[in-house]
Amino acid sequence: NAGVTQTPKFQVLKTGQSMTLQCAQDMNHEYMSWYRQDPGMGLRLIHYSVGAGITDQGEVPNGYNVSRSTTEDFPLRLLSAAPSQTSVYFCASSYSVRYNEQFFGPGTRLTVL
Amino acid sequence: EDKVVQSPLSLVVHEGDTVTLNCSYEVTNFRSLLWYKQEKKAPTFLFMLTSSGIEKKSGRLSSILDKKELFSILNITATQTGDSAVYLCAVHTGNQFYFGTGTSLTVIP
Repeated sequence: NAGVTQTPKFQVLKTGQSMTLQCAQDMNHEYMSWYRQDPGMGLRLIHYSVGAGITDQGEVPNGYNVSRSTTEDFPLRLLSAAPSQTSVYFCASSYSVRYNEQFFGPGTRLTVL
Repeated sequence: EDKVVQSPLSLVVHEGDTVTLNCSYEVTNFRSLLWYKQEKKAPTFLFMLTSSGIEKKSGRLSSILDKKELFSILNITATQTGDSAVYLCAVHTGNQFYFGTGTSLTVIP
């Protein structure tokens, strides 16, 4: 099992550009989520999904979209990048929302100029 | 508003010392409290606590939850340089997880 994979590892964008951060898991996990981690702020939940076709907003959803068309994939889209979105992004998954241990991907470091 | 607060923010100790990390929370619909270790990469799972007063142990690490006073502690005995990391506390509530800002632990040889 590859676990949770994320691409790219690093990305530099200009303000106003759009892009998609990819996240995939091969553990047949129902629950998937996206976090951003900023210095002094801990991990903050952006969006999550409790199963294919179901997504919902977390603490900081503005400026981001998600979709969950398959169990395996949970991409995060930045619609119009802003410098405030410079951060490290982590994708995580767990067997179900009731099963609490989350497995994290390696992260994507995004810089918006 | 749900929140998780960790203290101290940072800690520097010498090898062999014992440390106690604190996590307090105010959330609705509490399901569980989790501890993670983060070493400059993705967080890795340490413990999940759901019941008050039951200690979880793994080697030199142990943790306990107090659901009445709404806090948890993570103890590390006989610290080693490999324990240097950020320790994150998270609370599972409803369908979401709320993380504290973490405690940065540095162990000096």
